[in-house]
Amino acid sequence: EVQLVESGGGLVQPGGSLRLACTASEFSFRIYWMTWVRQAPGKGLEWVANIKKDGSEKYYVDSVKGRFTISRDNAKNSLYLQMNGLRAEDTAVYYCAKGRLTFDYWGQGALVTVSS
Amino acid sequence: QSALTQPASVSGSPGQSITISCTGTSSDIGDNNYVSWYQQHPGKAPKLMIFDVNDRPSGVSNRFSGSKSGNTASLTISGLQADDEADYYCSSYTNGITGVFGTGTKVTVL
Repeated sequence: EVQLVESGGGLVQPGGSLRLACTASEFSFRIYWMTWVRQAPGKGLEWVANIKKDGSEKYYVDSVKGRFTISRDNAKNSLYLQMNGLRAEDTAVYYCAKGRLTFDYWGQGALVTVSS
Repeated sequence: QSALTQPASVSGSPGQSITISCTGTSSDIGDNNYVSWYQQHPGKAPKLMIFDVNDRPSGVSNRFSGSKSGNTASLTISGLQADDEADYYCSSYTNGITGVFGTGTKVTVL
């Protein structure tokens, strides 16, 4: 069964950094685009960033451009989200999802809390 | 990158049919057929219910169906059941590059 497991969430102060990881299993990770989606407490889903199967293309929502970096290591079946310059409004559950335009599998989510 | 517009809530009685709309622009929904719908129960990850406007993944009930006209997509749930009570989100992509979700609709089964 396809599994996506996020890790690396936690409490961080405003301006701080955090790196999320998503480990994939039971599918050919290297041939799929992957996406990060977040959900602030009590709010809706927000598309954050995606990355092409070989890492050669990356796209971001305007609100995180220049602060977040998406990357992947196909040898480790892993997806990452490096988050710098964190703000209170970045507080959310972060999901990794398989796919580019349609997300057929999702992780359980990692909670990121930005607060002093 | 504005969110697609959905009604905040929709309700119906068991056995009835309901329809959720998702309105975008000519740069997103109106520009492609990559509209998806997701169901999210409280505290859970979203689940794909419809993709490519009107296709269902294996295992999703045929009570769920999708359609699109111009800049507006719709999700219809027929034969409403108690377990259908959840939040529903549409999604598409904009300018052929970045994804966008709808504002979300809470479905209540009366």
